[in-house]
Formats: sequence, structure tokens, C-alpha cells
Amino acid sequence: DTGVSQNPRHKITKRGQNVTFRCDPISEHNRLYWYRQTLGQGPEFLTYFQNEAQLEKSRLLSDRFSAERPKGSFSTLEIQRTEQGDSAMYLCASSLIRGVNTEAFFGQGTRLTVV
Amino acid sequence: TQLLEQSPQFLSIQEGENLTVYCNSSSVFSSLQWYRQEPGEGPVLLVTVVTGGEVKKLKRLTFQFGDARKDSSLHITAAQPGDTGLYLCAVLNNDMRFGAGTRLTVKP
Repeated sequence: DTGVSQNPRHKITKRGQNVTFRCDPISEHNRLYWYRQTLGQGPEFLTYFQNEAQLEKSRLLSDRFSAERPKGSFSTLEIQRTEQGDSAMYLCASSLIRGVNTEAFFGQGTRLTVV
Repeated sequence: TQLLEQSPQFLSIQEGENLTVYCNSSSVFSSLQWYRQEPGEGPVLLVTVVTGGEVKKLKRLTFQFGDARKDSSLHITAAQPGDTGLYLCAVLNNDMRFGAGTRLTVKP
């Protein structure tokens, strides 16, 4: 399978704990995005990488959130001191920049539940 | 304020009916994309529209980009239960931003 892979698919954690999610993009894609999606809403942009460089972070990404893409391949999203409001689906997407024909390919997401 | 406003938010129709959903903005875009998302899955690209006034067809789905490149519509003819899902419009700048989506339910 050469699609975008996210792990774990589901994560239940207690409030205050730290969690880390992993995204493996399509191998030749140079751009990687993270989104958060709550029920009934569209994906909310969190951050994106061009190769290993993090180029933009949303104001939604508080100090408790950090993302890395150390070698320009896989990426991790860490949430420290989780809160109940962090419960959501976290989606990762990757793309190869082709101007207006750029297409983002999404993983199946990691569903986080903070109890 | 959302960059992309989608309407309606929810739509429930019977199989065989036609429908149109909208994506509006006050900004001008070089291109606009439509994605469809099914429960438990990530969004999947349906189409990219680039030219003002452009119309693209994908089987029973017709996509139109407004002349001023600020808005777009998606029309579905003779909807089927398999069309059920969340329809999202998106624009690519350096990042990629989505609207809140229209959740479509087609009842058999």
C-alpha cells in the first residue's frame, strides 16, 4: 500500500497525558499537512511542512502542540498535557506540488479521545 | 470568519432528486478543489477548477467555478445513496484550507 498511513487509528488518553501521532506520507511527496477535524466540520489546518521545514503553523496550534518532520519523510504530531477539547480526528495529508494541479492525499486519521 | 463558506450545511434528499451545493468566498482564487469524505476516511479529491466560468463534469456531478473565481457550485443529478458523504471545497495557497462542508444524505 503506497498511500498515506497514520498510526495509531484510535487513541484514548487521560486528561493531562501526552500523546504522539505518526504520519507516513506517500514517499515522493514533498509537502505534508496536519489537520484537526471535529464531528460535522471540515478539516481545520494546523501546520504544514515542505520537506523537513515547517513553513506555517495555525493559531490553533497552541504551545502544547508540536510537529516534526526530521528527515523530510514521516512526521509526528505531539500534544502535551491533553485536554478534553483536544478530542478530535487528526488528519495527515501529503502532496507533490504541481501548481494548480496539486492534489492532497489523506490518511485515514487518528481519532483522539481525551477522558 | 471562514475563508470558504459552504451551504447548505446539511442536506437530506430522496434517491433520484437533483441538488446543488455552494462554496463562496470574498477572496479570489487561482483554483478551487472539491473533495468528498466518507465516514472514517480522509477526504478524496473529486475535481480541480481553474478558469473563471469553467464547468467540469464527473459522471452525474457537475462542478462550476464562478466567473470571478470567488465561488463554486457542485450539482448532482439523480442522486444515489452512494453519493452520501461530506462534500468539501478547498483552496491551495501555500497551505490548503477547507470549508466546513455540506453533509449530504441520500435516502433510498
